[in-house]
Amino acid sequence: DQQVKQNSPSLSVQEGRISILNCDYTNSMFDYFLWYKKYPAEGPTFLISISSIKDKNEDGRFTVFLNKSAKHLSLHIVPSQPGDSAVYFCAAADSGYALNFGKGTSLLVTP
Amino acid sequence: DAGVIQSPRHEVTEMGQEVTLRCKPISGHDYLFWYRQTMMRGLELLIYFNNNVPIDDSGMPEDRFSAKMPNASFSTLKIQPSEPRDSAVYFCASSLDLSGYTFGSGTRLTVV
Repeated sequence: DQQVKQNSPSLSVQEGRISILNCDYTNSMFDYFLWYKKYPAEGPTFLISISSIKDKNEDGRFTVFLNKSAKHLSLHIVPSQPGDSAVYFCAAADSGYALNFGKGTSLLVTP
Repeated sequence: DAGVIQSPRHEVTEMGQEVTLRCKPISGHDYLFWYRQTMMRGLELLIYFNNNVPIDDSGMPEDRFSAKMPNASFSTLKIQPSEPRDSAVYFCASSLDLSGYTFGSGTRLTVV
């Protein structure tokens, strides 16, 4: 059973606009959340993370927001660039260490 | 460091054959993970090791799947016998900590 859910398989955004990718989780024991980015024929690469003691973490154009009461997190990319086109995976972990991943959202940023 | 190295990059095999996927983690990483990516289930954890010891293999789908880590620099994932539904991309990852998962480029397995 999927404990991390990304309900939008795909998203298309114009260059320069904001991309918002969403993720929901069911396990209240998760205390650390991450986003990974994956290009075709490559492995996922770490993008940004957030601990459950925070509600926001920012790194350049990327910001992750965490709403613990709703068990929801989102990744904001602003401004979006064509090079951001990739599959984005949401992941969550509890003290058991191994990451649980969602199915991914394919982002297409059009010029 | 060359990163996590997986081989082969692509594997096409006939149903019933044995398949062995290989992984060399980053030196010094204590954790090694095997994930499988499919359209239906996304990235699912199969098994992970800590200091060469299997910690959680609850994600291994069936007895046809087995994984070993004979030393800190090498791990294998074996499927015997392989079936068409095993077709997927298999990723190996290693890490020191939660933010440090480094994935290999994956092995695309096709079972015909």
